[in-house]
Amino acid sequence: SQTIHQWPATLVQPVGSPLSLECTVEGTSNPNLYWYRQAAGRGLQLLFYSVGIGQISSEVPQNLSASRPQDRQFILSSKKLLLSDSGFYLCAWSPGLAGGQNEQFFGPGTRLTVL
Amino acid sequence: AQSVTQPDIHITVSEGASLELRCNYSYGATPYLFWYVQSPGQGLQLLLKYFSGDTLVQGIKGFEAEFKRSQSSFNLRKPSVHWSDAAEYFCAVEGNTPLVFGKGTRLSVIA
Repeated sequence: SQTIHQWPATLVQPVGSPLSLECTVEGTSNPNLYWYRQAAGRGLQLLFYSVGIGQISSEVPQNLSASRPQDRQFILSSKKLLLSDSGFYLCAWSPGLAGGQNEQFFGPGTRLTVL
Repeated sequence: AQSVTQPDIHITVSEGASLELRCNYSYGATPYLFWYVQSPGQGLQLLLKYFSGDTLVQGIKGFEAEFKRSQSSFNLRKPSVHWSDAAEYFCAVEGNTPLVFGKGTRLSVIA
């Protein structure tokens, strides 16, 4: 069966510090991968998605970046965090089926607080 | 691109009462529709999905949803709510882009 891992679970960082959040998927190959941010009362905001190694689509311009160095690894980064980067970050994967029906499976999330 | 509206930000129901959460979508073709649930501080869990066929779909935890093309809706229902159903519920639609989520409906359950 497939599993998705995120770490760390919680993170407190000062403004201006770098960020690296990691997401890995087990039990599947060639998944689509996604990063979302969830701010209180604002639903899920898609930040990045990837359909393959080195292929990243950015949905929202910001000071965050994403990379996919391996098939089942997705990393969210920032060189300098802002207060507005605080939130709950969710990673998800989907089977990447052509034509749709790509239900997404979510990781447990990372709570980021920028002080 | 597709879009989703969940008109109710917060709903409170009594335990044992019936529940209906509303979801309206916008997409030119037949969409793929999903309902997810999120407990506080947790990731999202898929409740049910509609791809094609029978417009009434059954999901986990006793939930069901009905796809109504004429109303562009995919409302979630449960005949008898349990206290453990208190959570945030998200409707999502897949069209020609990755899933687009509604802003969610927070469900509170009172005794």
